[in-house]
Amino acid sequence: DQQVKQNSPSLSVQEGRISILNCDYTNSMFDYFLWYKKYPAEGPTFLISISSIKDKNEDGRFTVFLNKSAKHLSLHIVPSQPGDSAVYFCAASDGNKLVFGAGTILRVKS
Amino acid sequence: NAGVTQTPKFQVLKTGQSMTLQCAQDMNHEYMSWYRQDPGMGLRLIHYSVGAGITDQGEVPNGYNVSRSTTEDFPLRLLSAAPSQTSVYFCASSYSGMRGYTFGSGTRLTVV
Repeated sequence: DQQVKQNSPSLSVQEGRISILNCDYTNSMFDYFLWYKKYPAEGPTFLISISSIKDKNEDGRFTVFLNKSAKHLSLHIVPSQPGDSAVYFCAASDGNKLVFGAGTILRVKS
Repeated sequence: NAGVTQTPKFQVLKTGQSMTLQCAQDMNHEYMSWYRQDPGMGLRLIHYSVGAGITDQGEVPNGYNVSRSTTEDFPLRLLSAAPSQTSVYFCASSYSGMRGYTFGSGTRLTVV
């Protein structure tokens, strides 16, 4: 039973527009959430995170929103750039283990 | 700093063979994990460790063994390889369970 779900396998956006990637989780013990970016033939790289005591965290063009009551988080990328094209993984931690979703392929068209 | 080093990068095994995937980190991280990446399945947690001498099972532990005798090393053992274990394996480490993990570059394993 997947504890972290990314229901959109892929997303295509125009350069300069907003990209919104969504993630849902089921385990109430998760209290720290992260987004990773992955290019082919490389390991995932950490992008941004948020603690369960917050509902928003911003870092440049990247913002993560957390809705604890809905067990939902999202990653906003504004403005989107062609170099953002990659697979994005949502992940959740209970303080001991880190569990990932299935990933969303983002394509930013120029 | 080398970060997280995985060896080998590529490996082909015959069904029933055994092998160990090596993972080493030089950041003095307590937390280490093994994942496998399969198309459409994302990164699935195999085993993880919160410190030397402490390991636990993740989402897909069957067919894999781990041990953590030192802080630096976290090897993953396949005792009897099966075609279903064909995958890309990633090792990762972190200073704490609430921080971002640093990943290795992966081991691509094919079992024929």
